[in-house]
Amino acid sequence: GAVVSQHPSWVICKSGTSVKIECRSLDFQATTMFWYRQFPKQSLMLMATSNEGSKATYEQGVEKDKFLINHASLTLSTLTVTSAHPEDSSFYICSARGTGYGYTFGSGTRLTVV
Amino acid sequence: DQQVKQNSPSLSVQEGRISILNCDYTNSMFDYFLWYKKYPAEGPTFLISISSIKDKNEDGRFTVFLNKSAKHLSLHIVPSQPGDSAVYFCAATKTSGSRLTFGEGTQLTVNP
Repeated sequence: GAVVSQHPSWVICKSGTSVKIECRSLDFQATTMFWYRQFPKQSLMLMATSNEGSKATYEQGVEKDKFLINHASLTLSTLTVTSAHPEDSSFYICSARGTGYGYTFGSGTRLTVV
Repeated sequence: DQQVKQNSPSLSVQEGRISILNCDYTNSMFDYFLWYKKYPAEGPTFLISISSIKDKNEDGRFTVFLNKSAKHLSLHIVPSQPGDSAVYFCAATKTSGSRLTFGEGTQLTVNP
């Protein structure tokens, strides 16, 4: 079946630094990648949608300069949280979709900014 | 604007009984619905889906029912098992589009 690998699974960083999260589709080509954010006991909120080779489309209220998304290949998308602050601490989840494949989610990344 | 709502934040059932999780939506353009199971600090795992051309889809212990006129879907798990304890999310999308819209989730606890 379709597998999406997300790394790291958890990361702690200092305030003001940047953190990169990787999302890879291991056995299919992901034409579209989605990045979600989940706060404790809340729903998954879509942050942005990216198609391979195109700029990401960000949801309203999501700062594109803070959350940089790159989808340079059909198997890899990255989310970089720039100049992280404690309020960016959250659980980030990627999802990939390819032709003939449904929505496959990564295992998530717990980001803690101290 | 919460287009997909799960009004019950939690549900507790006895092992062997039926679990019924409910979901309502407001966007009549949604035509494909999915249920996911999620454990803490993990990504969602796909359970079952249904297209709007059907009103029922069954897969083992899991059955999803869709009532288009009421804009309501439900997930039935029978018999419930302790391993089913998790947060269940319903999600909706338009097949012509691509994004999923999630409900708030329902924490299911199955007691032995």
